[in-house]
Amino acid sequence: AQSVTQLDSQVPVFEEAPVELRCNYSSSVSVYLFWYVQYPNQGLQLLLKYLSGSTLVKGINGFEAEFNKSQTSFHLRKPSVHISDTAEYFCAVRAGRSGGSNYKLTFGKGTLLTVNP
Amino acid sequence: EAGVAQSPRYKIIEKRQSVAFWCNPISGHATLYWYQQILGQGPKLLIQFQNNGVVDDSQLPKDRFSAERLKGVDSTLKIQPAKLEDSAVYLCASSRDRSSYEQYFGPGTRLTVT
Repeated sequence: AQSVTQLDSQVPVFEEAPVELRCNYSSSVSVYLFWYVQYPNQGLQLLLKYLSGSTLVKGINGFEAEFNKSQTSFHLRKPSVHISDTAEYFCAVRAGRSGGSNYKLTFGKGTLLTVNP
Repeated sequence: EAGVAQSPRYKIIEKRQSVAFWCNPISGHATLYWYQQILGQGPKLLIQFQNNGVVDDSQLPKDRFSAERLKGVDSTLKIQPAKLEDSAVYLCASSRDRSSYEQYFGPGTRLTVT
C-alpha cells in the first residue's frame, strides 16, 4: 500500500514570490506521482505527473515538480505565483507499471496555497 | 469533449434520511470512481467500477452506502440512512480504463447532514 504526507496544511505567500509545496510518499513498489489542484467549489484538475524518465516534470500554469527517489519526495514549485494560483493542492500516489495490479490513487490531505497581493 | 457531470451540486438533509447522487462519466471511459472528501482531507476512494462491475469497494461503508453502474455508463451513489459524519463532498471521476494514469474529476456534490 502507498501513503502520502503533505507537510504543510497552509502556505501563504505574496504575489510574484516563489513557492514550494512539500510532498513525501511511502511505497514498497515503484510509483507514479501526481499533483492535482482544486479551485473553490470545483473538482480536481491534474497539474502534472511523474511516470518515469526525467525526474523534473513540468505541468500547467508554470508549475514543476522534482521526483527524488532517495528522499521519497515529490515537491511542487513555482518561481513566481499569481493571485489566481490560490487553491488547494493535492499530492497523490499510485503503484507504477511494475507495482502489480493495484491502481488505487492515494491522496495527501492537501495544502491550501493562499497568494496575497 | 464533455467532462464528468454530477448532480445535484449541493444537498442538505437531516440525519437518518436517504440521499442519492448521480454521475455521468466522460464518454467511452470504462472506469468510474466515487470519492469522499471530508473537509480538510484529501479524497478517499469509496468504490471503483470497471464497466458495470465493481473492482474495489473495500472502503465503502456497506451498511449504509450503495452504488451501482447498471449499463456501464452512468452511476448512482446512495446513502441510507445518513449520519452526521457523512457530511462531505462526493467526487466522481472517470478514466479510459483501470490502468490509465489520468483520472478526470467532476465538480462534486456537497452533502450537509444536519
